Formats: sequence, C-alpha cells, structure tokens
Amino acid sequence: ETGVTQSPTHLIKTRGQQVTLRCSSQSGHNTVSWYQQALGQGPQFIFQYYREEENGRGNFPPRFSGLQFPNYSSELNVNALELDDSALYLCASGTSGYTDTQYFGPGTRLTVL
Amino acid sequence: KNEVEQSPQNLTAQEGEFITINCSYSVGISALHWLQQHPGGGIVSLFMLSSGKKKHGRLIATINIQEKHSSLHITASHPRDSAVYICAVSNRDDKIIFGKGTRLHILP
Repeated sequence: ETGVTQSPTHLIKTRGQQVTLRCSSQSGHNTVSWYQQALGQGPQFIFQYYREEENGRGNFPPRFSGLQFPNYSSELNVNALELDDSALYLCASGTSGYTDTQYFGPGTRLTVL
Repeated sequence: KNEVEQSPQNLTAQEGEFITINCSYSVGISALHWLQQHPGGGIVSLFMLSSGKKKHGRLIATINIQEKHSSLHITASHPRDSAVYICAVSNRDDKIIFGKGTRLHILP
C-alpha cells in the first residue's frame, strides 16, 4: 500500500470527448508525475508538477494538461480524446524530483472507443 | 534505440530458481529504479540506487555506473514473484525514462 490513490479505476469514453483523472498523493509529497502506459509498453512520462506548477513535460500534446492542488491531490485532463489515448494512466508522488523514491498509484485504465 | 533496454523481455522459470533481469542504459543518470508491476497495473518501487548494491529480502539490485548496466536478482523464486519488472532511470535533466519491462512467470 503506497498511500497513493487514483480514481476512477476504469473509464470508457468515446473519441472527441474530454476526461479528467484524479490522483491523491501522500501527505508531504510535493511532486506528482503522470505517466501513460500503453499495453505491453513501459510507462511514458507525461508531466510532473511540483508545488502546483508544471516542472517538466514529456512528448505529449497540449491537449494533455494537469493541475496540482495544495491538498496533495492532482488531476490529469485530456481533451479531444483519440483512440490511441487508450492506456493505463499512472500517477506517482514523491518528496523531490526523480531522484527520490516514486510512490505509484494503482492506475486508471482508460478505454477510448 | 531505446535509452533503457531490458533483457529478457519474457522469462519463465520454475519455483526456486535464481532469476536475473538485466537493464542497460545509454544516458547519464542520477539514479536507477527497479519497479514491480502486478497484473492490473499497480506499480511498487523495489529499489532506487545510484551505486553498488542493495538487498531487500530475496531481492538484490546491483549497478555498474561505468558499464551503464544494472541487474535485478531474485533468489529462491516463488510464484508470487510473477509480475512485470521495470527498470527506469532518472537522467541528468531530471526526467525519468522507463524500460519496456520484463515479464516474469514463475511456475509452481
């Protein structure tokens, strides 16, 4: 049990719709990172937030956006969903950057039809 | 070529066997992580190391910075060790790069 929770567990959307995924980190964790994991692949870094500001971004288009809140929760928003957005979305929290142990949530499985 | 390569991609072994999973990387790193992912997606961080060797129970992780190589060993493997093991590195730009994972299946 890492203390990091994500909701919902599963989600089905149709192409063109918008989705919001949520992550609740451990108390005291200043950073939260979001990852996309396609079937059979390793996770791909989407972006990281540190103290409510974006602190790094992977190779994802602007329709992937995020928010981090003072209560250690965060959101991943994806607009104009595409079929290729179907994946497991993982959040991970830590106290500082990537050289700290990352605590992963269980993930949200998004299916886009 | 991926910046983080793992081998083998798939591994099936009998209960009790000694398991080795390898990870090679091509970038400068500040830390290397070994992660375990169970069916359904949950990921657990097993080790974070930047030099030498770490041991936790039946799991041992080693890293050779000069050779840009790390290994994860499992002694006395058990069916409950069946999972995907992922190697990830934190590079000098403070970004994390994942390998594709090694799918381990331990037969009873």
